[in-house]
Amino acid sequence: KNEVEQSPQNLTAQEGEFITINCSYSVGISALHWLQQHPGGGIVSLFMLSSGKKKHGRLIATINIQEKHSSLHITASHPRDSAVYICAGRYPQFYFGTGTSLTVIP
Amino acid sequence: NAGVTQTPKFRILKIGQSMTLQCTQDMNHNYMYWYRQDPGMGLKLIYYSVGAGITDKGEVPNGYNVSRSTTEDFPLRLELAAPSQTSVYFCASGSPHNLQPQHFGDGTRLSIL
Repeated sequence: KNEVEQSPQNLTAQEGEFITINCSYSVGISALHWLQQHPGGGIVSLFMLSSGKKKHGRLIATINIQEKHSSLHITASHPRDSAVYICAGRYPQFYFGTGTSLTVIP
Repeated sequence: NAGVTQTPKFRILKIGQSMTLQCTQDMNHNYMYWYRQDPGMGLKLIYYSVGAGITDKGEVPNGYNVSRSTTEDFPLRLELAAPSQTSVYFCASGSPHNLQPQHFGDGTRLSIL
């Protein structure tokens, strides 16, 4: 069964905090996709990775193939980071987690 | 760049009515997808296409139909709309390469009353 699970479901942080969102998946994915969904509903791709680590600005994504686990980190969080963060495994079709709703308070 | 364009953005239908959600992409992507997003649930795949003339069912295809006559267009047809089809619908496109991300349209919010 192709499953993708995320934790936590909801996360509230103070501005400046380091944030971690977790994603676990079952065997067979060829890549892991991190996406951001804005309050208005639009979905934007953040990272696609199949191994190691990727960084873009204050965002870092890592994946551990042996543990079937990926994390999305946000350093020095800011209120504009408030959004829903979604991970998806490519099996090759994409299966999505239910998302983590992040609120960053000034 | 337009990317993936979905129309309409909002629509209210009565039970039993039919409609077509339009999706167009200008990135020459072979793969196109239709998803629905329900509150508290992850995106679920309705139908997908790997190229013009080729379509296949996803996880939740019942009550929907698709066609892919060109690379650019991938319309989703709802026949005999039911309240269970109230959802937000997203079209996406991408390539078969593993590390190429999907590109999403802005979504269509559909209510069936």
